[in-house]
Amino acid sequence: DQQVKQNSPSLSVQEGRISILNCDYTNSMFDYFLWYKKYPAEGPTFLISISSIKDKNEDGRFTVFLNKSAKHLSLHIVPSQPGDSAVYFCAPSLFYKLSFGAGTTVTVRA
Amino acid sequence: DAGITQSPRHKVTETGTPVTLRCHQTENHRYMYWYRQDPGHGLRLIHYSYGVKDTDKGEVSDGYSVSRSKTEDFLLTLESATSSQTSVYFCASDRGSGNTIYFGEGSWLTVV
Repeated sequence: DQQVKQNSPSLSVQEGRISILNCDYTNSMFDYFLWYKKYPAEGPTFLISISSIKDKNEDGRFTVFLNKSAKHLSLHIVPSQPGDSAVYFCAPSLFYKLSFGAGTTVTVRA
Repeated sequence: DAGITQSPRHKVTETGTPVTLRCHQTENHRYMYWYRQDPGHGLRLIHYSYGVKDTDKGEVSDGYSVSRSKTEDFLLTLESATSSQTSVYFCASDRGSGNTIYFGEGSWLTVV
């Protein structure tokens, strides 16, 4: 029962361009949506979150958009930098528990 | 970050032996979690705690137990390790916001 889907396993983007990561979910009860970045052999690092009552949240180069009617959210990174090369996880929250997508591996090309 | 430390960071154990992983946090967070990560999957919740001595099961809890006797410590025990429990285990904590959950560095467990 996959409640969270990140349908693009990988994404390659040129340095300086925009990276767009997508996430679809099925449970309309999720109350927060979090994004994490993960480097190999390290724990996930919290990036940004958005409440279910909002449709956009911005923090520096990172912006998350939420479309509740479509049960879809996206993370925009602009401009993309080499240090952004990592695996990104979408993680909706319900009752203080996270459900994770399978992740999208982002590679930023010089 | 929540000052989360996990121990041991790496362990190899034999099938059938008990194993305990420890998670320690320094932020007085109320909620603590154990997740596992396997290839092709995101992180999956094993057990979580919402206070001292208050714990509950996650989606992949079979074969695992937990204990929380102090706010800062959350232990994960594999009663009798199996090869299917070879994985990377991540501990996490949250003050109770639900929107900012921090993770530890991970514990790599190999069951041979």
